[in-house]
Amino acid sequence: SQELEQSPQSLIVQEGKNLTINCTSSKTLYGLYWYKQKYGEGLIFLMMLQKGGEEKSHEKITAKLDEKKQQSSLHITASQPSHAGIYLCGASLRGSQGNLIFGKGTKLSVKP
Amino acid sequence: EAQVTQNPRYLITVTGKKLTVTCSQNMNHEYMSWYRQDPGLGLRQIYYSMNVEVTDKGDVPEGYKVSRKEKRNFPLILESPSPNQTSLYFCASRRTGTYEQYFGPGTRLTVT
Repeated sequence: SQELEQSPQSLIVQEGKNLTINCTSSKTLYGLYWYKQKYGEGLIFLMMLQKGGEEKSHEKITAKLDEKKQQSSLHITASQPSHAGIYLCGASLRGSQGNLIFGKGTKLSVKP
Repeated sequence: EAQVTQNPRYLITVTGKKLTVTCSQNMNHEYMSWYRQDPGLGLRQIYYSMNVEVTDKGDVPEGYKVSRKEKRNFPLILESPSPNQTSLYFCASRRTGTYEQYFGPGTRLTVT
């Protein structure tokens, strides 16, 4: 089974709407990383969360880490077409030797 | 500019013809890694290297080879490519003691 589950798999929102993407780990998290990928291109680092309860923001994107649930949520406020792309969460897990595993990604489309 | 570069960016080849995808980073990172990205499967790690002359298998190493003779370079070698290796490949690097990975722009490989 997938160690890192992302939901939803895809999302279509109207410009200006808020949205949330979730990432849940089946194992203990040592760090959670959010990346954005434009279709067929490289990954752009968004933010990293390491401590339970930690919350970080970058422009209109906020990510939180819930240590108890082993889950992170990525929230976009007032979405814009420039937010469209694939959002991937990556995690360093116990026993991973510092390697990251990734969720399958959430494809976000923003309709103008 | 700090970056990870990959070459070529696009490659179409035939089954069995040996190829090498190069990866180079200018950040003096110890750790480097190769991933492949496939629809519905997400990013999967092929091989990684903790430092020069130290390489190890990731989750999907079959059909691939790597070498790490210099700190900055980590080429991915396909000795006898097959159509199931058609994919989008990413190289990444990070500094030891950190978990944030820097990704290259990707190499789209098609094996016919």
